[in-house]
Amino acid sequence: NAGVTQTPKFQVLKTGQSMTLQCAQDMNHEYMSWYRQDPGMGLRLIHYSVGAGITDQGEVPNGYNVSRSTTEDFPLRLLSAAPSQTSVYFCASMRPGRSSNYGYTFGSGTRLTVV
Amino acid sequence: AQKVTQAQTEISVVEKEDVTLDCVYETRDTTYYLFWYKQPPSGELVFLIRRNSFDEQNEISGRYSWNFQKSTSSFNFTITASQVVDSAVYFCALSEGGNTGTASKLTFGTGTRLQVTL
Repeated sequence: NAGVTQTPKFQVLKTGQSMTLQCAQDMNHEYMSWYRQDPGMGLRLIHYSVGAGITDQGEVPNGYNVSRSTTEDFPLRLLSAAPSQTSVYFCASMRPGRSSNYGYTFGSGTRLTVV
Repeated sequence: AQKVTQAQTEISVVEKEDVTLDCVYETRDTTYYLFWYKQPPSGELVFLIRRNSFDEQNEISGRYSWNFQKSTSSFNFTITASQVVDSAVYFCALSEGGNTGTASKLTFGTGTRLQVTL
């Protein structure tokens, strides 16, 4: 199993450009999320999905769009990049349920710089 | 709104010392889920443990142990006989049960950087 795969690993954008961060998981997990990590702020939730066709906003959704057409894929779109979106982005997936063995599996991250 | 506080920004210990990382949470839900994640210098996030609010048992896994106390809203993490490989940033996280009744979205603390030296 590859787990959660994020592409690209690094990206530099100019202000105003748009792009899509890709996320795919092969574990048949229903839950998927996008987080951004900034120094001193931990990880903050951007958008999440509890199943194909269902998405919702997290704590910091402005400037980002998501869609979930399949269980496997959960792309994150930056509509018009701004320097404030310079960050490390993590995608994660998890099987729903109350088992204490269930935790989010994270991708390796995408380091995005907006100049 | 849910909140997680990790008041210790950075801790330095010498190898073989025991160290406790504190985590205090706030939530109005009666059903919620607590997590600890490790982020080593390589940058990936590694799931360590999950505790459900309806299961207040403490957990031990090798040198790692977790103390969950609802009375003080705390979920502290202790590493016994620390090793250099334990050097990492550790995050505590909370998910409220919400409409789904299960953990669907996480609120993270700001993390504690642990440095273990020889």
